[in-house]
Amino acid sequence: NAGVTQTPKFQVLKTGQSMTLQCAQDMNHEYMSWYRQDPGMGLRLIHYSVGAGITDQGEVPNGYNVSRSTTEDFPLRLLSAAPSQTSVYFCASSAGDRGFEETQYFGPGTRLLVL
Amino acid sequence: AQSVAQPEDQVNVAEGNPLTVKCTYSVSGNPYLFWYVQYPNRGLQFLLKYITGDNLVKGSYGFEAEFNKSQTSFHLKKPSALVSDSALYFCAVRDPGFQKLVFGTGTRLLVSP
Repeated sequence: NAGVTQTPKFQVLKTGQSMTLQCAQDMNHEYMSWYRQDPGMGLRLIHYSVGAGITDQGEVPNGYNVSRSTTEDFPLRLLSAAPSQTSVYFCASSAGDRGFEETQYFGPGTRLLVL
Repeated sequence: AQSVAQPEDQVNVAEGNPLTVKCTYSVSGNPYLFWYVQYPNRGLQFLLKYITGDNLVKGSYGFEAEFNKSQTSFHLKKPSALVSDSALYFCAVRDPGFQKLVFGTGTRLLVSP
């Protein structure tokens, strides 16, 4: 198993550009989520999904869109990048039907710099 | 609302000494508590969790944590620190009434030889 994979590892954007951060898992996990990690703020939940076709907002959803067309993939879209979105983004997945009570498996992260 | 606090930005300990990384929480119901570790340029890795049962939870790499309901704490401990334990440690809590996991701000553990 590759676990949770994320691409790209690093990206530089200009303000106003759009991009998609890719996340895939091969563990057949129902729950997937996106977090951003900023210094001194820990991890904050952006969006999450409890299964294919179902998504919901987390703490900081503004400026981000998600979709879940398959169990394996959970892409995160930045519609119009802003410097405030400079961060490290982590995708995570968990098994079972109890979602956030389960162990989260994290990807290696995408470091995003918005100029 | 659920929240978790890690009062120490950094903990310094000498190799071979016991270590403690502190975590306190606030939830409206019975908490689900987790510890994760992050090594440089890596994603978070699960260490241990408390859902119910024995207040002392044992996890990966010799770490353990004690759930204390009266003090609303879930401190991470290890009897003998290793230099390789140096990393960023995150406490997290899930309030059963909410569909999300809330992370603390992290504590950097530095173990010196």
